[in-house]
Amino acid sequence: DADVTQTPRNRITKTGKRIMLECSQTKGHDRMYWYRQDPGLGLRLIYYSFDVKDINKGEISDGYSVSRQAQAKFSLSLESAIPNQTALYFCATSDLHLGTDTQYFGPGTRLTVL
Amino acid sequence: SQQGEEDPQALSIQEGENATMNCSYKTSINNLQWYRQNSGRGLVHLILIRSNEREKHSGRLRVTLDTSKKSSSLLITASRAADTASYFCATDNRGSEKLVFGKGMKLTVNP
Repeated sequence: DADVTQTPRNRITKTGKRIMLECSQTKGHDRMYWYRQDPGLGLRLIYYSFDVKDINKGEISDGYSVSRQAQAKFSLSLESAIPNQTALYFCATSDLHLGTDTQYFGPGTRLTVL
Repeated sequence: SQQGEEDPQALSIQEGENATMNCSYKTSINNLQWYRQNSGRGLVHLILIRSNEREKHSGRLRVTLDTSKKSSSLLITASRAADTASYFCATDNRGSEKLVFGKGMKLTVNP
């Protein structure tokens, strides 16, 4: 969905490096999410934010941090990358205005930690 | 885990056949959603069924929900090669703030 963009799309980094993944949306949604996807494990929620001043941990937040700089921007940081953080990372947005939490996903960032 | 589970984990069919995918879950829900993911790309929302609905249609998609059995099925009729993708169910659980996704299942439609 072009309304949710992620940068970079691919990144190779080394163990111990700090890395930031960025997500921007033009949908005007209040809610934003970061997921990681690993083969056979489905999507796992890392962090989520329901508005600019709200940050919540998901099921696998250890080793990650986030920043909600504006309604439209939600960044995910790996403070000190390790190889088992190699995965496909997705940002998503949603808006409960219509009473359902339908989510809209970005194209993903493929991260490799060597 | 509150995670839904899709069944089968992989399905291979011929173009024109129908594909049925099942999802089982464990808790009370507000709604259940199905998403599609083409290889390596972001998930795309397909259809949502609320807990008080039993069946819903959208184009070639038909979804059913049985809350007594805590299960849902997604039927794709007259499948096409372009339907080849991974499919995920996601539950909006009562008392939870967020969707919970299943592990997904892979559908291959052979031309």
